[in-house]
Amino acid sequence: TQLLEQSPQFLSIQEGENLTVYCNSSSVFSSLQWYRQEPGEGPVLLVTVVTGGEVKKLKRLTFQFGDARKDSSLHITAAQPGDTGLYLCAGTFYTGTASKLTFGTGTRLQVTL
Amino acid sequence: EAQVTQNPRYLITVTGKKLTVTCSQNMNHEYMSWYRQDPGLGLRQIYYSMNVEVTDKGDVPEGYKVSRKEKRNFPLILESPSPNQTSLYFCASSFGTSGGRETQYFGPGTRLLVL
Repeated sequence: TQLLEQSPQFLSIQEGENLTVYCNSSSVFSSLQWYRQEPGEGPVLLVTVVTGGEVKKLKRLTFQFGDARKDSSLHITAAQPGDTGLYLCAGTFYTGTASKLTFGTGTRLQVTL
Repeated sequence: EAQVTQNPRYLITVTGKKLTVTCSQNMNHEYMSWYRQDPGLGLRQIYYSMNVEVTDKGDVPEGYKVSRKEKRNFPLILESPSPNQTSLYFCASSFGTSGGRETQYFGPGTRLLVL
């Protein structure tokens, strides 16, 4: 089983601060996704990155896929209380017969006023 | 509205009493899967289905069964639940897998407690 480690596990910051969440693996992934999950709901896709070194921006969120496609980061600029939630990375690798999606352990973010 | 629905949302049961959690999607998706979410372990895949009558084991299939008789439905069956199956369960669907580039749509979750 491929493992995706996320760090930090928990992050509590004040509104306006910047933060970065990391997703690391020893395996090469064909693509990587970031999801956000709010309490009482299922995860919702934020972005998919597929090319090594790729950078995507979604308003105040910047996502980067590592050059070797083994890691990714999520950077939030000027965090707001609405950013509070559980952030999950999910990487896809080929088993030889099918694509397999593996989720990271998650980073729980709390943004306070 | 395009969505994945799960029922029930909350369930308390006792060890050994068979239960079924239903999952239905209205997006004509071919790929459906079940996950369980436990603190510190993230989401782990239980079973998945590439299409009708095609199912396969995920990472943690022990103690679970699934069926895919219709494209829209993918029920999760616990024949003899045990306390270690207490967890938060999510059903998800997508058009396919396309090497992981497809958006997975998740249901709202089912919180199960096995006493």
